[in-house]
Amino acid sequence: GQQVMQIPQYQHVQEGEDFTTYCNSSTTLSNIQWYKQRPGGHPVFLIQLVKSGEVKKQKRLTFQFGEAKKNSSLHITATQTTDVGTYFCAGSGGSNYKLTFGKGTLLTVNP
Amino acid sequence: EAQVTQNPRYLITVTGKKLTVTCSQNMNHEYMSWYRQDPGLGLRQIYYSMNVEVTDKGDVPEGYKVSRKEKRNFPLILESPSPNQTSLYFCASSQDWNTEAFFGQGTRLTVV
Repeated sequence: GQQVMQIPQYQHVQEGEDFTTYCNSSTTLSNIQWYKQRPGGHPVFLIQLVKSGEVKKQKRLTFQFGEAKKNSSLHITATQTTDVGTYFCAGSGGSNYKLTFGKGTLLTVNP
Repeated sequence: EAQVTQNPRYLITVTGKKLTVTCSQNMNHEYMSWYRQDPGLGLRQIYYSMNVEVTDKGDVPEGYKVSRKEKRNFPLILESPSPNQTSLYFCASSQDWNTEAFFGQGTRLTVV
Protein backbone atom coordinates (compact mmCIF):
# COMPACT_ATOMS: atom_id res chain seq x y z
CA GLY A 1 0.00 0.00 0.00
CA GLN A 2 0.85 3.64 -0.14
CA GLN A 3 3.54 4.73 2.29
CA VAL A 4 4.53 8.24 3.24
CA MET A 5 7.91 8.71 4.91
CA GLN A 6 8.79 11.88 6.73
CA ILE A 7 12.17 13.06 8.02
CA PRO A 8 13.57 14.06 10.37
CA GLN A 9 11.56 12.60 13.25
CA TYR A 10 12.79 15.33 15.60
CA GLN A 11 14.39 18.72 15.09
CA HIS A 12 15.58 21.08 17.77
CA VAL A 13 16.58 24.59 16.72
CA GLN A 14 17.52 27.89 18.27
CA GLU A 15 14.97 30.62 17.78
CA GLY A 16 15.74 32.42 14.55
CA GLU A 17 17.19 29.38 12.78
CA ASP A 18 15.50 27.83 9.77
CA PHE A 19 13.76 24.46 9.77
CA THR A 20 12.86 22.00 7.02
CA THR A 21 10.92 18.76 7.07
CA TYR A 22 10.74 16.39 4.11
CA CYS A 23 8.08 14.01 2.96
CA ASN A 24 8.48 11.15 0.46
CA SER A 25 5.86 8.86 -0.98
CA SER A 26 6.28 5.38 -2.39
CA THR A 27 3.70 6.22 -5.07
CA THR A 28 2.68 9.26 -7.09
CA LEU A 29 0.31 11.48 -5.15
CA SER A 30 -2.72 13.35 -6.43
CA ASN A 31 -2.16 15.95 -3.76
CA ILE A 32 -0.35 16.49 -0.50
CA GLN A 33 -1.52 18.25 2.63
CA TRP A 34 0.37 19.62 5.60
CA TYR A 35 -0.88 19.78 9.16
CA LYS A 36 0.45 21.21 12.41
CA GLN A 37 -0.27 19.74 15.83
CA ARG A 38 0.60 21.84 18.84
CA PRO A 39 1.59 19.95 22.01
CA GLY A 40 -1.59 18.57 23.59
CA GLY A 41 -3.66 19.66 20.61
CA HIS A 42 -5.17 18.21 17.48
CA PRO A 43 -3.86 18.38 13.89
CA VAL A 44 -4.79 21.58 12.12
CA PHE A 45 -4.73 21.92 8.35
CA LEU A 46 -2.08 24.26 6.95
CA ILE A 47 -2.15 23.86 3.18
CA GLN A 48 -2.78 21.59 0.23
CA LEU A 49 -0.57 21.27 -2.86
CA VAL A 50 -1.94 19.78 -6.05
CA LYS A 51 0.23 20.70 -9.00
CA SER A 52 3.59 19.26 -9.95
CA GLY A 53 6.37 21.62 -8.87
CA GLU A 54 3.95 23.82 -6.94
CA VAL A 55 5.33 26.25 -4.36
CA LYS A 56 3.14 28.05 -1.86
CA LYS A 57 4.03 30.48 0.90
CA GLN A 58 2.32 31.40 4.13
CA LYS A 59 4.31 34.16 5.82
CA ARG A 60 7.49 32.39 7.00
CA LEU A 61 6.36 28.95 5.78
CA THR A 62 7.20 27.69 2.29
CA PHE A 63 5.69 24.51 0.93
CA GLN A 64 6.89 22.65 -2.15
CA PHE A 65 5.52 19.74 -4.15
CA GLY A 66 8.04 17.81 -6.22
CA GLU A 67 7.97 17.63 -9.99
CA ALA A 68 7.20 13.92 -9.89
CA LYS A 69 4.52 14.47 -7.21
CA LYS A 70 6.23 11.97 -4.92
CA ASN A 71 7.88 14.33 -2.47
CA SER A 72 7.22 17.53 -0.63
CA SER A 73 8.87 19.83 1.86
CA LEU A 74 7.94 22.43 4.44
CA HIS A 75 10.47 25.13 5.22
CA ILE A 76 10.15 27.61 8.06
CA THR A 77 12.35 30.69 7.94
CA ALA A 78 13.56 32.25 11.19
CA THR A 79 11.68 29.98 13.59
CA GLN A 80 9.79 31.38 16.54
CA THR A 81 8.67 29.70 19.76
CA THR A 82 5.13 29.72 18.39
CA ASP A 83 6.28 27.29 15.66
CA VAL A 84 6.73 24.50 18.22
CA GLY A 85 4.72 21.39 17.41
CA THR A 86 4.58 18.35 15.19
CA TYR A 87 4.28 18.85 11.46
CA PHE A 88 2.63 16.14 9.43
CA CYS A 89 2.41 15.63 5.72
CA ALA A 90 -0.48 13.59 4.36
CA GLY A 91 -0.82 12.27 0.85
CA SER A 92 -3.64 10.92 -1.22
CA GLY A 93 -3.47 9.07 -4.49
CA GLY A 94 -4.09 5.80 -6.21
CA SER A 95 -7.34 3.88 -6.08
CA ASN A 96 -7.96 3.97 -2.36
CA TYR A 97 -9.92 6.68 -0.63
CA LYS A 98 -7.52 7.31 2.20
CA LEU A 99 -5.27 10.08 3.37
CA THR A 100 -1.95 8.56 4.45
CA PHE A 101 -0.03 10.49 7.06
CA GLY A 102 3.69 10.62 7.56
CA LYS A 103 4.90 10.00 11.11
CA GLY A 104 5.53 13.68 11.62
CA THR A 105 8.45 15.89 12.59
CA LEU A 106 8.48 17.25 16.12
CA LEU A 107 9.96 20.74 16.15
CA THR A 108 11.20 22.28 19.36
CA VAL A 109 12.53 25.83 19.50
CA ASN A 110 14.95 27.08 22.12
CA PRO A 111 14.26 30.76 22.90
CA GLU B 1 -18.85 27.47 14.42
CA ALA B 2 -17.60 24.65 12.19
CA GLN B 3 -16.37 21.85 14.36
CA VAL B 4 -15.88 18.16 14.99
CA THR B 5 -16.88 17.09 18.48
CA GLN B 6 -15.64 13.97 20.16
CA ASN B 7 -16.74 12.52 23.48
CA PRO B 8 -15.42 11.67 25.92
CA ARG B 9 -12.10 13.53 25.96
CA TYR B 10 -10.59 11.12 28.46
CA LEU B 11 -11.56 7.58 29.32
CA ILE B 12 -10.06 4.90 31.52
CA THR B 13 -11.65 1.49 31.20
CA VAL B 14 -10.98 -2.16 31.92
CA THR B 15 -10.15 -4.90 29.47
CA GLY B 16 -13.21 -6.37 27.82
CA LYS B 17 -15.73 -3.67 28.73
CA LYS B 18 -17.42 -2.42 25.57
CA LEU B 19 -17.17 1.28 24.91
CA THR B 20 -18.18 3.82 22.31
CA VAL B 21 -16.46 7.08 21.41
CA THR B 22 -18.82 9.48 19.71
CA CYS B 23 -17.96 11.87 16.89
CA SER B 24 -20.20 14.51 15.39
CA GLN B 25 -19.58 17.17 12.74
CA ASN B 26 -21.71 20.16 11.79
CA MET B 27 -20.23 20.91 8.36
CA ASN B 28 -22.34 18.50 6.29
CA HIS B 29 -19.17 16.68 5.28
CA GLU B 30 -19.38 13.48 3.27
CA TYR B 31 -16.16 11.88 4.47
CA MET B 32 -15.35 10.94 8.05
CA SER B 33 -12.55 8.90 9.53
CA TRP B 34 -10.97 7.69 12.74
CA TYR B 35 -7.27 7.75 13.53
CA ARG B 36 -5.18 6.59 16.40
CA GLN B 37 -1.99 8.36 17.35
CA ASP B 38 0.82 6.56 19.12
CA PRO B 39 4.34 7.83 19.93
CA GLY B 40 6.67 7.31 17.00
CA LEU B 41 3.90 5.94 14.78
CA GLY B 42 2.11 9.11 13.76
CA LEU B 43 -1.54 9.05 12.74
CA ARG B 44 -2.87 5.73 11.53
CA GLN B 45 -6.30 5.41 10.01
CA ILE B 46 -8.66 2.93 11.65
CA TYR B 47 -11.84 3.23 9.57
CA TYR B 48 -13.31 5.70 7.17
CA SER B 49 -16.70 6.46 5.71
CA MET B 50 -17.38 7.95 2.29
CA ASN B 51 -21.03 8.64 3.10
CA VAL B 52 -24.01 7.37 5.06
CA GLU B 53 -24.01 3.57 5.32
CA VAL B 54 -20.65 3.39 3.49
CA THR B 55 -17.69 2.43 5.66
CA ASP B 56 -14.38 0.73 4.98
CA LYS B 57 -11.29 -0.42 6.80
CA GLY B 58 -8.27 1.77 7.17
CA ASP B 59 -4.78 0.59 8.02
CA VAL B 60 -5.40 -0.67 11.57
CA PRO B 61 -9.06 -1.79 11.85
CA GLU B 62 -8.61 -4.86 14.07
CA GLY B 63 -10.58 -4.61 17.31
CA TYR B 64 -12.73 -1.69 16.16
CA LYS B 65 -16.16 -1.18 14.63
CA VAL B 66 -17.85 1.88 13.22
CA SER B 67 -21.24 2.86 11.91
CA ARG B 68 -22.54 5.75 9.80
CA LYS B 69 -26.31 5.85 10.15
CA GLU B 70 -26.46 9.62 9.88
CA LYS B 71 -24.24 11.99 7.96
CA ARG B 72 -23.13 13.96 10.98
CA ASN B 73 -22.24 11.07 13.33
CA PHE B 74 -19.51 8.47 13.12
CA PRO B 75 -19.08 6.56 16.39
CA LEU B 76 -16.11 4.31 17.09
CA ILE B 77 -16.93 1.11 18.94
CA LEU B 78 -14.54 -1.10 20.85
CA GLU B 79 -16.44 -4.31 21.55
CA SER B 80 -13.78 -5.82 23.83
CA PRO B 81 -11.02 -3.31 24.52
CA SER B 82 -7.51 -4.55 25.20
CA PRO B 83 -4.48 -2.73 26.64
CA ASN B 84 -2.88 -2.42 23.19
CA GLN B 85 -5.77 -0.12 22.26
CA THR B 86 -4.56 2.43 24.77
CA SER B 87 -3.99 5.44 22.55
CA LEU B 88 -5.01 8.94 21.53
CA TYR B 89 -7.92 8.81 19.09
CA PHE B 90 -8.94 11.48 16.61
CA CYS B 91 -12.06 11.75 14.53
CA ALA B 92 -11.84 13.84 11.36
CA SER B 93 -14.23 15.01 8.69
CA SER B 94 -13.79 16.51 5.23
CA GLN B 95 -15.94 17.35 2.26
CA ASP B 96 -14.19 14.66 0.23
CA TRP B 97 -11.55 12.03 0.90
CA ASN B 98 -8.69 14.19 -0.40
CA THR B 99 -9.69 17.65 0.85
CA GLU B 100 -8.91 19.56 4.01
CA ALA B 101 -9.61 17.46 7.09
CA PHE B 102 -11.02 18.93 10.29
CA PHE B 103 -10.04 17.07 13.43
CA GLY B 104 -11.82 16.68 16.72
CA GLN B 105 -10.11 17.50 20.00
CA GLY B 106 -9.09 13.90 20.59
CA THR B 107 -9.99 11.15 23.05
CA ARG B 108 -7.30 9.77 25.28
CA LEU B 109 -8.20 6.16 26.04
CA THR B 110 -6.48 4.00 28.62
CA VAL B 111 -7.35 0.31 28.86
CA VAL B 112 -6.13 -1.42 32.00
